[in-house]
Amino acid sequence: QKEVEQDPGPLSVPEGAIVSLNCTYSNSAFQYFMWYRQYSRKGPELLMYTYSSGNKEDGRFTAQVDKSSKYISLFIRDSQPSDSATYLCAMSANTGFQKLVFGTGTRLLVSP
Amino acid sequence: EADIYQTPRYLVIGTGKKITLECSQTMGHDKMYWYQQDPGMELHLIHYSYGVNSTEKGDLSSESTVSRIRTEHFPLTLESARPSHTSQYLCASSVRTGGVSPLHFGNGTRLTVT
Repeated sequence: QKEVEQDPGPLSVPEGAIVSLNCTYSNSAFQYFMWYRQYSRKGPELLMYTYSSGNKEDGRFTAQVDKSSKYISLFIRDSQPSDSATYLCAMSANTGFQKLVFGTGTRLLVSP
Repeated sequence: EADIYQTPRYLVIGTGKKITLECSQTMGHDKMYWYQQDPGMELHLIHYSYGVNSTEKGDLSSESTVSRIRTEHFPLTLESARPSHTSQYLCASSVRTGGVSPLHFGNGTRLTVT
């Protein structure tokens, strides 16, 4: 079983919808949680980073961590066609990111 | 605009050839990484470096080798390419601090070995 599970999608939504992207994990030692966005033929770019449990908001994006359930979420409000990309969750037990574990990514399609 | 540069972006090469994938960053980051990404699969770490003259193997076994002679440069070499090496290779870097410094990625090299 993989340490991090992520639905590959694709997830198709109309413009303006609220999008929820999720990952579950099995390693209770994970403390650092990240969301990366990857456009086609590009490298991943960091969207959000959180430590331990709780919420973090940045513009239209909100990252949520529930360590008791081993579940993390990324919410996108007022989704735009430019949000169409693959979203990767990643997590680590410590600041040494050579042990960063990635999900397989969820492909999001936002139609105008 | 990425501050970490990978060349070439695409490479198609025959079996048995030696290849070097280039990665350079202009951010002065100490730590650099090579990841392998296949469709529908998670990123796997194949090599990392804490600084000049430091290289370590990652979780995914790889026949490639790396070197770190300069802080900004972290090339990956395959002595004899095989079709099983076909993949996307992503280079990344981060600051070496006592705190958290998430990875900053390049745009990748898509390698096809025929």
